[in-house]
Amino acid sequence: GNSVTQMEGPVTLSEEAFLTINCTYTATGYPSLFWYVQYPGEGLQLLLKATKADDKGSNKGFEATYRKETTSFHLEKGSVQVSDSAVYFCALEGSNYKLTFGKGTLLTVNP
Amino acid sequence: DGGITQSPKYLFRKEGQNVTLSCEQNLNHDAMYWYRQDPGQGLRLIYYSQIVNDFQKGDIAEGYSVSREKKESFPLTVTSAQKNPTAFYLCASSIIWTDRSEQYFGPGTRLTVT
Repeated sequence: GNSVTQMEGPVTLSEEAFLTINCTYTATGYPSLFWYVQYPGEGLQLLLKATKADDKGSNKGFEATYRKETTSFHLEKGSVQVSDSAVYFCALEGSNYKLTFGKGTLLTVNP
Repeated sequence: DGGITQSPKYLFRKEGQNVTLSCEQNLNHDAMYWYRQDPGQGLRLIYYSQIVNDFQKGDIAEGYSVSREKKESFPLTVTSAQKNPTAFYLCASSIIWTDRSEQYFGPGTRLTVT
């Protein structure tokens, strides 16, 4: 079946540091890939997505590239802010539009 | 404003009682989903529905039931058969039959059963 593995947190960075959160997946076919963000006590918000190999999703300074050869979709940001502190989820869309999520990575950015 | 509403935000129940969580969307989405979130476990799919009067079990449907009588509404009942009902429950919706499918989430309901 489908599965998503993302780096375990928590990740703690200083403001303006470079961020990478690793995500790899196992799936049949070529699923769409997503990053969602969850702020404390809230639901999930779509951060970015990519629907085919070599696509780059980007939003709010975050980027991720769909790498079929390494089955990866790593999230990066060049300079994090305190307001980026949240839990980040990698997900893939399988059959019937169902999402499979990773376990989430807690990011804390200190001023 | 279009979106997904879940009510209430916090819900407390005694063990042995059934409880129903509300989810409404005004996005005109065909599909709706219920997820359960536990600390350190990500989100797990409970039930989903792609059309009115039809729904399918997800990965952890035991102890839960749903209905989809209207396109806008997808209530979830947590029954007394659910062994560990305390969790954060998230509802989502999406358009389907398109390559632009992406799920939009509600704010969640935190259920505590004692």
